[in-house]
Amino acid sequence: DAEITQSPRHKITETGRQVTLACHQTWNHNNMFWYRQDLGHGLRLIHYSYGVQDTNKGEVSDGYSVSRSNTEDLPLTLESAASSQTSVYFCASSKHSGRAYNEQFFGPGTRLTVL
Amino acid sequence: GENVEQHPSTLSVQEGDSAVIKCTYSDSASNYFPWYKQELGKGPQLIIDIRSNVGEKKDQRIAVTLNKTAKHFSLHITETQPEDSAVYFCAASFYSGGGADGLTFGKGTHLIIQP
Repeated sequence: DAEITQSPRHKITETGRQVTLACHQTWNHNNMFWYRQDLGHGLRLIHYSYGVQDTNKGEVSDGYSVSRSNTEDLPLTLESAASSQTSVYFCASSKHSGRAYNEQFFGPGTRLTVL
Repeated sequence: GENVEQHPSTLSVQEGDSAVIKCTYSDSASNYFPWYKQELGKGPQLIIDIRSNVGEKKDQRIAVTLNKTAKHFSLHITETQPEDSAVYFCAASFYSGGGADGLTFGKGTHLIIQP
């Protein structure tokens, strides 16, 4: 079955280290998204991509970067991890059909702790 | 940018009763309004959505209403069951046909079904 996976599921790192969170989907969806979820804030958009070589900043993009070299993957990189980036990170994907907004499917999440 | 407010933050109802969760949005250009259910330790899952050209949509025990003039939309769950206990998020987005923008989420409602 097609799916969206994230790895690792849990990660502990130290302040200042570079961290990359992986997201992989097998639906061949054009659109992919990264969100972070924090208590009291709900989910907030970090970056998104409409397709290969396309990336766009979301509401809370400072300190994060993404790259899209193929359809299936959108890795999220924290260039220099900060304690404020301790959060649960969700990746999502949706197909592009041109006429209608299609459902975003979410991965299981990665819990990141920055010490 | 878009801002979505969601109320209440916690809702406790007796099994079999109805539950209503309300959201308001700020950007009149938003045209897509999904509702997500999130169970503990999992990613959000779409339960129902509505587009701006529709005022109401129903799917079995779940219904969503949209008032574009007032910029608010609501989730109605009838005949609540224990498995309805979860955190529910409303969201809003603008879709132009050129690509899917990310979702702006409310902060969530923790729905508790009392036996």
